[in-house]
Amino acid sequence: DVKVTQSSRYLVKRTGEKVFLECVQDMDHENMFWYRQDPGLGLRLIYFSYDVKMKEKGDIPEGYSVSREKKERFSLILESASTNQTSMYLCASRGTAGTQYFGPGTRLLVL
Amino acid sequence: DAKTTQPTSMDCAEGRAANLPCNHSTISGNEYVYWYRQIHSQGPQYIIHGLKNNETNEMASLIITEDRKSSTLILPHATLRDTAVYYCIVSPLIQGAQKLVFGQGTRLTINP
Repeated sequence: DVKVTQSSRYLVKRTGEKVFLECVQDMDHENMFWYRQDPGLGLRLIYFSYDVKMKEKGDIPEGYSVSREKKERFSLILESASTNQTSMYLCASRGTAGTQYFGPGTRLLVL
Repeated sequence: DAKTTQPTSMDCAEGRAANLPCNHSTISGNEYVYWYRQIHSQGPQYIIHGLKNNETNEMASLIITEDRKSSTLILPHATLRDTAVYYCIVSPLIQGAQKLVFGQGTRLTINP
């Protein structure tokens, strides 16, 4: 089974802090994604990566950056956390046939 | 992307088959039908996908009409753990990055 893990299930940070969310997949997938999920807004794509050191902006990249130094690891960085970044963050890895496998999610609260 | 229409909510008795419909009348010839579900406070989980033919795996069956304008996800023996929001998505199978667009889905409640 594909396994996608995220570094934290719950995180509480203060406004202005730099926040790192880590995601690791064990299936040697080239494509990885970061989404955020908010009530009433569904899943929104923040960034995706199609190879090591390669990244593309998604629909809502403002306030975020990403890092992909190794194939299995895709990190989301909030340079200076703000309260409107309180959300559920989901990492996904794309396998064959277009299927995406999601991690358990990180629920981030920015105070 | 083609749009999908799903009922907002459904109920099913434990042990019975749960049949979740999805309309995708504007689906293109190269678009697949994917089903995901999301159990409360967890990440979405891939269930099954298909292009034209009916598909079955250990989780569910997918029935796609001949004109491909609608499909039905079948959970043959629903359990309480199948309570979740189920999303029907149509998307082409492309190389490179592929963004999934989740709609509102169907909230399925399995009752004891």
